[in-house]
Amino acid sequence: AQSVTQLDSQVPVFEEAPVELRCNYSSSVSVYLFWYVQYPNQGLQLLLKYLSGSTLVESINGFEAEFNKSQTSFHLRKPSVHISDTAEYFCAVRTNTGFQKLVFGTGTRLLVSP
Amino acid sequence: DAGVTQSPTHLIKTRGQQVTLRCSPKSGHDTVSWYQQALGQGPQFIFQYYEEEERQRGNFPDRFSGHQFPNYSSELNVNALLLGDSALYLCASSPLDGSTDTQYFGPGTRLTVL
Repeated sequence: AQSVTQLDSQVPVFEEAPVELRCNYSSSVSVYLFWYVQYPNQGLQLLLKYLSGSTLVESINGFEAEFNKSQTSFHLRKPSVHISDTAEYFCAVRTNTGFQKLVFGTGTRLLVSP
Repeated sequence: DAGVTQSPTHLIKTRGQQVTLRCSPKSGHDTVSWYQQALGQGPQFIFQYYEEEERQRGNFPDRFSGHQFPNYSSELNVNALLLGDSALYLCASSPLDGSTDTQYFGPGTRLTVL
């Protein structure tokens, strides 16, 4: 079985500051990794994903995440955040074979202040 | 290209009642998964449907059942509602042929059980 740990339930940060949201996973088999973002009263939007290849993946809005197999981590980073980045961020994993069930972490609320 | 749609947006029921939630997948997608997101938690996998059959099920009681129609749309039914069933119910769709493919989420249905 897979599991995801997001240690930080809330991360406050000032606008234009850098941020890192931590994600660690546990799995006995190879996995795919995802970050989803959820704005208030909305569903989940895919932010970025790691399937294979380069361990550094980027989103169109400046976020990036690096897959670290030895540390079983997939931390999300942004060098300079905006007020509009305020949202809930979920890390998720699924096995790279078979069914597509996603296992989510409990989420990290990013609060960006002016 | 329409994304994943869900109806209704909000729903209020009382304990013991039954509820049906509906989902239309993204165009070109034939697999539908349902998730329950309790307040302050990450989404939890309920089950997945493909070719009108349940392919995989999470740790939810039999009160939770589903159906998939020939046009790939899906319903989630919950019987004998409990207060603890209050949550955001998310539908996600994906194409089965791509084991690397991503699940795309709808906006969700907010169910409140009184």
